[in-house]
Amino acid sequence: DAGVIQSPRHEVTEMGQEVTLRCKPISGHDYLFWYRQTMMRGLELLIYFNNNVPIDDSGMPEDRFSAKMPNASFSTLKIQPSEPRDSAVYFCASSHRGRRETQYFGPGTRLLVL
Amino acid sequence: AQSVTQPDIHITVSEGASLELRCNYSYGATPYLFWYVQSPGQGLQLLLKYFSGDTLVQGIKGFEAEFKRSQSSFNLRKPSVHWSDAAEYFCAVGGGDTGRRALTFGSGTRLQVQP
Repeated sequence: DAGVIQSPRHEVTEMGQEVTLRCKPISGHDYLFWYRQTMMRGLELLIYFNNNVPIDDSGMPEDRFSAKMPNASFSTLKIQPSEPRDSAVYFCASSHRGRRETQYFGPGTRLLVL
Repeated sequence: AQSVTQPDIHITVSEGASLELRCNYSYGATPYLFWYVQSPGQGLQLLLKYFSGDTLVQGIKGFEAEFKRSQSSFNLRKPSVHWSDAAEYFCAVGGGDTGRRALTFGSGTRLQVQP
């Protein structure tokens, strides 16, 4: 299995621009998670989906952030407009249903907003 | 609300020495506990997990962890550290009886290995 795939791996953009991060979960997994890692706040959950439906988006910082999962094999996290404080590493993870599921992480997207 | 504390931000050990990384958690139900490792510029790799049963769990790369309910701890150990173990280690809690799927992570412990 290819594991969780994220693109792009690195993104540099200017403040005010729209940024779209992409994730392909492991085939057969029905949970998908977006996390953000920063020096100040560590690893924190942004949102997660179950069977393509958002379940908990309480970690989404503000309306500038949005996430979608149009099908079981693809999710996007969009920031519009981007701000320098959004600079972070964004991880996508997926897991299979069941109480004892283990989350598998992608390599992350390193975002720098200038 | 659940929380995870990793009291050691940075640890340095000599190659071949033993290692113990501390993790304390706060969780309102029976927790599921995890240790992940992150090498520079990489994603998180699962080392081991505890769901129930035997409180001593074995993981990959020679790591083990012991769940101690009375101390709310899940410390990670390795009897002999290799230079390739230098990385950042994260303890996480989630799932369990509450059904919460998302993980709550500790702040991480950065391990440096001296030759």
